[in-house]
Amino acid sequence: QKEVEQNSGPLSVPEGAIASLNCTYSDRVSQSFFWYRQYSGKSPELIMSIYSNGDKEDGRFTAQLNKASQYVSLLIRDSQPSDSATYLCAVNIGGGNKLTFGGGTRVLVKP
Amino acid sequence: DGGITQSPKYLFRKEGQNVTLSCEQNLNHDAMYWYRQDPGQGLRLIYYSQIVNDFQKGDIAEGYSVSREKKESFPLTVTSAQKNPTAFYLCASSTSGTSGRSDDYEQYFGPGTRLTVT
Repeated sequence: QKEVEQNSGPLSVPEGAIASLNCTYSDRVSQSFFWYRQYSGKSPELIMSIYSNGDKEDGRFTAQLNKASQYVSLLIRDSQPSDSATYLCAVNIGGGNKLTFGGGTRVLVKP
Repeated sequence: DGGITQSPKYLFRKEGQNVTLSCEQNLNHDAMYWYRQDPGQGLRLIYYSQIVNDFQKGDIAEGYSVSREKKESFPLTVTSAQKNPTAFYLCASSTSGTSGRSDDYEQYFGPGTRLTVT
């Protein structure tokens, strides 16, 4: 079992809809959780970080963390074609500042 | 502007040659990291450094070497011992996680170096 797992997609979403991405992780000690967006051929860009159970909202993005169930999710509201990218989940497996990345979920927003 | 720079953007080398990738940051971050990304894959950690003159192996360190002589710089050498060196190499930096700041552990990436070895 991989330490950080994501559905590879593609997740196809009509413009204006909500895109829902999920990520599960293996280590109960993990304290820090991150979502990155990566456009094709570019480097990852941090879009959300979450450390406590519950929801964290930033603009059209909402991160949700459930440590008991060991999953973190990302919701993208009012999806736009510019949101088409690969979204990477990262977790500090074992604590500390070393991150383990999932394989990424490719999102396609169709006009 | 604060940020992370990597050079060159594209690099071509012949098999058997060592090559050094540059990474510089002016974010005053203590920790720096090197990752490798293969097509359609996530990121895999090669080496990381939490403080000057100290670094640790990541998950795939074989065939790579690093140095951390200055806080701002963390160069990566891809040696001839690396069996499949062609990949997208990404450098990142973060705070050390000891400051208690809300952005502890947030890693910020440079633009990457695409290495092709033939």
